Amino acid sequence: AQTVTQSQPEMSVQEAETVTLSCTYDTSESDYYLFWYKQPPSRQMILVIRQEAYKQQNATENRFSVNFQKAAKSFSLKISDSQLGDAAMYFCAYRSALAGGTSYGKLTFGQGTILTVHP
Amino acid sequence: NAGVTQTPKFRILKIGQSMTLQCTQDMNHNYMYWYRQDPGMGLKLIYYSVGAGITDKGEVPNGYNVSRSTTEDFPLRLELAAPSQTSVYFCASSEGLLVSYQPQHFGDGTRLSIL
Repeated sequence: AQTVTQSQPEMSVQEAETVTLSCTYDTSESDYYLFWYKQPPSRQMILVIRQEAYKQQNATENRFSVNFQKAAKSFSLKISDSQLGDAAMYFCAYRSALAGGTSYGKLTFGQGTILTVHP
Repeated sequence: NAGVTQTPKFRILKIGQSMTLQCTQDMNHNYMYWYRQDPGMGLKLIYYSVGAGITDKGEVPNGYNVSRSTTEDFPLRLELAAPSQTSVYFCASSEGLLVSYQPQHFGDGTRLSIL
């Protein structure tokens, strides 16, 4: 079974600064997808960024980028130019690329990191 | 386009009561999921469905039942509510495994308290 670990329960950053959230995972599969989801106080689950394991290039979405280290099974999220609206709980999630089996596209989530942005 | 709609948004139940959490999606997605999120934790899979008439257990299915009679609807049933089922419940849907890395689309959640 796959596991996802976020070792930082809470992080804080000053507005306009950069912060990195850590995520490690454990899997025996070679093909999979990794996601970062944002959950603001409204409880919505908002997809921030995704990465395919077979791609060496790190994904980037505007101010959000990842550092994907497949051998180390590490998938960190970097938020540049932090804004007050970035304050939320952030979840790292794993999804197998296998069709069928015991995965059926389910997401395995980490415990989450609460990000506070100070003005 | 409504996406994934969950009702109700909040509910308080007494121990032993039963209720159904409703979930409907208008994106014609085959795959649907129910997760629960306990305070300060990530989401855990309760049940999933890969199409109408097909459902299966996830990681934490005890105390729950599901059905999938249509593509759009995937209700979650609690038969005998217990305090351990106090949680926030999320329904999600996905286009399918064969379509690249389609993300799951989530509803806004149902906050359920069992007292």
